[in-house]
Amino acid sequence: GESVGLHLPTLSVQEGDNSIINCAYSNSASDYFIWYKQESGKGPQFIIDIRSNMDKRQGQRVTVLLNKTVKHLSLQIAATQPGDSAVYFCAEVSISNFGNEKLTFGTGTRLTIIP
Amino acid sequence: KAGVTQTPRYLIKTRGQQVTLSCSPISGHRSVSWYQQTPGQGLQFLFEYFSETQRNKGNFPGRFSGRQFSNSRSEMNVSTLELGDSALYLCASSSWDRAKLYNEQFFGPGTRLTVL
Repeated sequence: GESVGLHLPTLSVQEGDNSIINCAYSNSASDYFIWYKQESGKGPQFIIDIRSNMDKRQGQRVTVLLNKTVKHLSLQIAATQPGDSAVYFCAEVSISNFGNEKLTFGTGTRLTIIP
Repeated sequence: KAGVTQTPRYLIKTRGQQVTLSCSPISGHRSVSWYQQTPGQGLQFLFEYFSETQRNKGNFPGRFSGRQFSNSRSEMNVSTLELGDSALYLCASSSWDRAKLYNEQFFGPGTRLTVL
């Protein structure tokens, strides 16, 4: 899951501060949305998801907000730690009539935590 | 449980060659999806296999193909390699339980393909 060379939006946050990562999606018919974290040398790892009929969902130190009016998704990470440094992707998921799922990923944001 | 494994991790090929990448899903997972990750295009869906059948396909040329075996292991093949095929190829598996709203996809570490 190397991200070297990716021309991504970047966000630098002081350790301990909160961070907000934003994502715009395109398909208003998406059934749910997922945030993934990708560390260097690894594949994307699931962080949190939210159904399309929800506005907010909280996990451990993370909160996802969904604004369907403007097709916007955000991931808030509280009290950031060095281990939060990674590339973060949002993905919109469409479920077909056959029940299989298709993920469409956003471009990603590189988050760097400054010690 | 062991995670998704992909082999090889790194591969260097030249233009015109073909390549085969392998993915072993998490034990019990029957759905395998493949993605291409590049700096310019990000993560793009290639195809998904379930029970040895391709269920879903992205917008890639026919040079990209795949298959799934009875043990759910999957391979993808790229023929007549082009420079633009240099990318990280990720495989993800899921259990695909119809009773669930969705089935989380678990990603492998990827195969880094470089085409010279």
